Amino acid sequence: QSALTQPASVSGSPGQSITISCTGTSSDIGTYNYVSWYQQHPGKAPKLMIYDVSNRPSGVSTRFSGSKSGNTAFLTISGLQGDDEADYYCNSFTTSDTVVFGGGTKLTVL
Amino acid sequence: EVQLLESGGGLVQPGGSLRLSCAASGFTFSNYAMSWVRQAPGKGLEWVSGISSSGGRTYYTDSVKGRFTISRDNSKNTLYLQMNSLRAEDTAVYYCGKDLSGYSYSGRVDYWGQGTLVTVSS
Repeated sequence: QSALTQPASVSGSPGQSITISCTGTSSDIGTYNYVSWYQQHPGKAPKLMIYDVSNRPSGVSTRFSGSKSGNTAFLTISGLQGDDEADYYCNSFTTSDTVVFGGGTKLTVL
Repeated sequence: EVQLLESGGGLVQPGGSLRLSCAASGFTFSNYAMSWVRQAPGKGLEWVSGISSSGGRTYYTDSVKGRFTISRDNSKNTLYLQMNSLRAEDTAVYYCGKDLSGYSYSGRVDYWGQGTLVTVSS
């Protein structure tokens, strides 16, 4: 049950776009489209931003989008805003009937 | 409005036990799978356990198998996590979460509680 691999940090200026990668294996991301992305502000509970690779829950800004290629999923945030500064986590269901999270990526809005 | 309220956290000695509860409201609890996810201080999210809507199927991360037991009481709209043989490395905020899925479990959490802190220390 190895964690999914995410960059520790990314940064961007207001208005720019950034992309966070989430690399797994053929036992998780490569097999399932059950890839989700979560946003977590300090001291707060996580919030679902993307599910099933590219679907947005109701109320989530269209600036957030997701995609997948092979064993890697991606979260793209366009038109960066100050409130986007947070930690972002991906997760996936696995062929072992378990769930694995990424290590998290700290997004800094410069 | 979906609400999840965890309780039962606290300070416990190594080797001790705790039972966490998660009271759910605002949705038909018996129709959804549920999860427990934890976060150690200053660390990332770690999936702990999941359960199908009926309670008939349960899922665990390797590090808690044989020590933790997830269960639910659909008549009380409550999710539980019984934690035995606790270790220092179990220290974390424990979140319960509602799964996007109905009957089966998928690990996709669309609503989260605010968490309850478990500290394992002598």
